[in-house]
Amino acid sequence: AQTVTQSQPEMSVQEAETVTLSCTYDTSESDYYLFWYKQPPSRQMILVIRQEAYKQQNATENRFSVNFQKAAKSFSLKISDSQLGDAAMYFCAFPSGYALNFGKGTSLLVTP
Amino acid sequence: DTGVSQNPRHKITKRGQNVTFRCDPISEHNRLYWYRQTLGQGPEFLTYFQNEAQLEKSRLLSDRFSAERPKGSFSTLEIQRTEQGDSAMYLCASSLTADYKNTEAFFGQGTRLTVV
Repeated sequence: AQTVTQSQPEMSVQEAETVTLSCTYDTSESDYYLFWYKQPPSRQMILVIRQEAYKQQNATENRFSVNFQKAAKSFSLKISDSQLGDAAMYFCAFPSGYALNFGKGTSLLVTP
Repeated sequence: DTGVSQNPRHKITKRGQNVTFRCDPISEHNRLYWYRQTLGQGPEFLTYFQNEAQLEKSRLLSDRFSAERPKGSFSTLEIQRTEQGDSAMYLCASSLTADYKNTEAFFGQGTRLTVV
């Protein structure tokens, strides 16, 4: 079974600082994608960034980047220049069958 | 298109009653998913439709749960004889891709069910 583990239930970062959210996963597949989703309070979940396992280069989307360590099965999300609007639940997700297998999430608090 | 729409946003029901939720996916999306999310947990997969065909169901989907997607458009999720353990956020998502491994799912805001 494919599992996704997020070991940080809560994280806090000051505005303009950088924070890293961790995620580990377990799979026997060699070709796959990994995703980070953001769920703001009372708003719908949106895709933040995705990484293809075959690509050695870490994905980057503006202030969001990943540190993908395939051998270690680690997929962390780095948020640079944190903004108040980044406050949300962040979920790491891995495709399992036709759907996504989500971690338990990390609640990110951004302080002024 | 305004994205994935779910109705109602909130539902309070008495234990033992039946409830039905509706999801309107993004119009051109042929894939539709239902997830359940409880407090402090990530979304858990319930079921998946490709067009009108229900192709996958989770073990979480007990026989009290039924989902339909007539004509491959909107979808309904019905829970019969609700129990307090059914209290959760029910999320609908849709996607359009030929590669299910690279699926960007678009989520609705969810229906929050409270069973009292």
